Amino acid sequence: DQQVKQNSPSLSVQEGRISILNCDYTNSMFDYFLWYKKYPAEGPTFLISISSIKDKNEDGRFTVFLNKSAKHLSLHIVPSQPGDSAVYFCAAREYGNKLVFGAGTILRVKS
Amino acid sequence: DGGITQSPKYLFRKEGQNVTLSCEQNLNHDAMYWYRQDPGQGLRLIYYSQIVNDFQKGDIAEGYSVSREKKESFPLTVTSAQKNPTAFYLCASSVQTASNQPQHFGDGTRLSIL
Repeated sequence: DQQVKQNSPSLSVQEGRISILNCDYTNSMFDYFLWYKKYPAEGPTFLISISSIKDKNEDGRFTVFLNKSAKHLSLHIVPSQPGDSAVYFCAAREYGNKLVFGAGTILRVKS
Repeated sequence: DGGITQSPKYLFRKEGQNVTLSCEQNLNHDAMYWYRQDPGQGLRLIYYSQIVNDFQKGDIAEGYSVSREKKESFPLTVTSAQKNPTAFYLCASSVQTASNQPQHFGDGTRLSIL
C-alpha cells in the first residue's frame, strides 16, 4: 500500500518554462515533506522541504506547495534548466525521522 | 569535506554468500539509515539507528543485518537469506530523528548476483 504516490513517471519540459512535479499522500499523520533530486548512480540530494503547518516554501527557483486538505504537494521549478534533468523523489516523514518515498518522476528539460 | 562515504561502489555476490556494505559519515550525525532502491520504485527503508549500539528494523529488514558500534559507521550485511538482493543500496544520516533536518545520502552501492 503506497502511502506516497508520484503518479507521473516522467515529465518533459522546454528550457525556461515551468516544471511542475506532483505528489499525493494518504497518511494524515505525516508532518514534514521533502523533495530530493537524484542523478544516475548517485545518491539523492536534498532540494527543499515544507512543514505540514505551512502551505508554501520557496528557495530560489524552487517552490513547494502543500494542500493538506487534498493531501497533495507539488514542486515548481521556474525557470527550468537543462541541469535540472534528473529523477525527483517526494518524501514524507513519519514518526521520528522515518521517511516514506514516492517512486520518483523523471524530469527532462529540453534545450 | 563532510559527507557520507559508501563502499564499494559495485559489489557482486555469489549464491549463498554474505556480503557487507560499508557506510561511514563524518557529519557527526546521530541517526543513520539504510535504504534499498529497485528500478521504478522509491527508496524503501531496511534498517535505521538513532544512536550508537541501537537500531530498529525498517519496512524490509528480512535477510539483512546491521551493527552500530561507532557513531560514524553503520555497515549493512546482506545475508544469504535475502533471496533477491540485486538492488541499489543507499545509506543516509541525519542530525537526529526528531528534527526538521533532512537526511543526507551517500552515493550508493550497486549489488549484483553472479
